[in-house]
Amino acid sequence: AQKITQTQPGMFVQEKEAVTLDCTYDTSDPSYGLFWYKQPSSGEMIFLIYQGSYDQQNATEGRYSLNFQKARKSANLVISASQLGDSAMYFCAMREGFSASKIIFGSGTRLSIRP
Amino acid sequence: EAGVTQFPSHSVIEKGQTVTLRCDPISGHDNLYWYRRVMGKEIKFLLHFVKESKQDESGMPNNRFLAERTGGTYSTLKVQPAELEDSGVYFCASSWAGGGYTFGSGTRLTVV
Repeated sequence: AQKITQTQPGMFVQEKEAVTLDCTYDTSDPSYGLFWYKQPSSGEMIFLIYQGSYDQQNATEGRYSLNFQKARKSANLVISASQLGDSAMYFCAMREGFSASKIIFGSGTRLSIRP
Repeated sequence: EAGVTQFPSHSVIEKGQTVTLRCDPISGHDNLYWYRRVMGKEIKFLLHFVKESKQDESGMPNNRFLAERTGGTYSTLKVQPAELEDSGVYFCASSWAGGGYTFGSGTRLTVV
């Protein structure tokens, strides 16, 4: 069965530092997609970045990059040069297969950026 | 393009009452999903529509929950009768086939 694990319930980081949010996953399907979402205090779920299981390179989107280590089944999110506005809940998620189907979420990490 | 719209944004009801949540997906997105996050726990999948058909309803907790998507456009999720443990945030998302998921802002349901 597919599973997503986020082991860091909360993190504090100084502004402008880089931060890595951990995510490990488990699936028996060789085809899968990995997602990261941000949920600020306002409640909406904001898509950040996506990595497909066959993608050769790590995904990057602006200050966000996904450190994809397939053999270790990890998909850590790296935020460079953190900003106060990065304070939020961050969820790692996975979908088995590449067609539209449900995604499952990890328990989330609450990131707090200190000025 | 307009995003996924959910309403109400907040709802407070008494135990035993009925509540209906609505989700308007992005126009043209055949796939619509309902999720909920209860008591700060994990976000759990409820069900997946493809157009008006229920593709996967494995996450529906019990028969007090009824989801519909008549005409394959907007969807409703009815909870009847509501129980205290139903309190949480209910999210809707939509996607095109194989595409990314766009989430709504959620409905915060409080059952007292």
